[in-house]
Amino acid sequence: TQLLEQSPQFLSIQEGENLTVYCNSSSVFSSLQWYRQEPGEGPVLLVTVVTGGEVKKLKRLTFQFGDARKDSSLHITAAQPGDTGLYLCAGPGAGSYQLTFGKGTKLSVIP
Amino acid sequence: DAMVIQNPRYQVTQFGKPVTLSCSQTLNHNVMYWYQQKSSQAPKLLFHYYDKDFNNEADTPDNFQSRRPNTSFCFLDIRSPGLGDAAMYLCATSRDLAGGLLAKNIQYFGAGTRLSVL
Repeated sequence: TQLLEQSPQFLSIQEGENLTVYCNSSSVFSSLQWYRQEPGEGPVLLVTVVTGGEVKKLKRLTFQFGDARKDSSLHITAAQPGDTGLYLCAGPGAGSYQLTFGKGTKLSVIP
Repeated sequence: DAMVIQNPRYQVTQFGKPVTLSCSQTLNHNVMYWYQQKSSQAPKLLFHYYDKDFNNEADTPDNFQSRRPNTSFCFLDIRSPGLGDAAMYLCATSRDLAGGLLAKNIQYFGAGTRLSVL
């Protein structure tokens, strides 16, 4: 069974601070996706990483895929209240059309 | 511009009273999914359709059924909702292209339907 473990589970920071959240597995993934889910809404796809060592930037968000494709990180610079939400990493699951999700990191950015 | 649309956004039903949630998509994706998500948890896949082929997850209760009358629409039927079925229900889509190994793993979600059971 492919599992994705996310840490930390909860994170509360002040506006303007930097943060990093992690997504780790003992299994190799062909790709990993990061989603952000705001309260009461569905997950919104932020990025897909495919190549080991790949770094992608989305404004203040930096995503990295580990060299061995077993882990990924999301770094947010100068966090803003609009960054508040549940950050989920996901990768191809055991079934052909399954996504394996991590349990998520719940981020609160306090003004 | 909404690409995956779920209706209603909030649904209240009574214990044991059948309820139907709907999902439509403008992406023309051939795969549609239904997930259940409880508070602060990851989405849990209930089933998916590949075109008209229905694929149930092994641990999805029989109480949950689905219909996909055409490419654009998919319905989730809960035959006899229990208190434990109160949750957010998410619809998602993806496309499967010949040789497109990556595309089918990228899923686009609707905004969800929050179901309450009284």
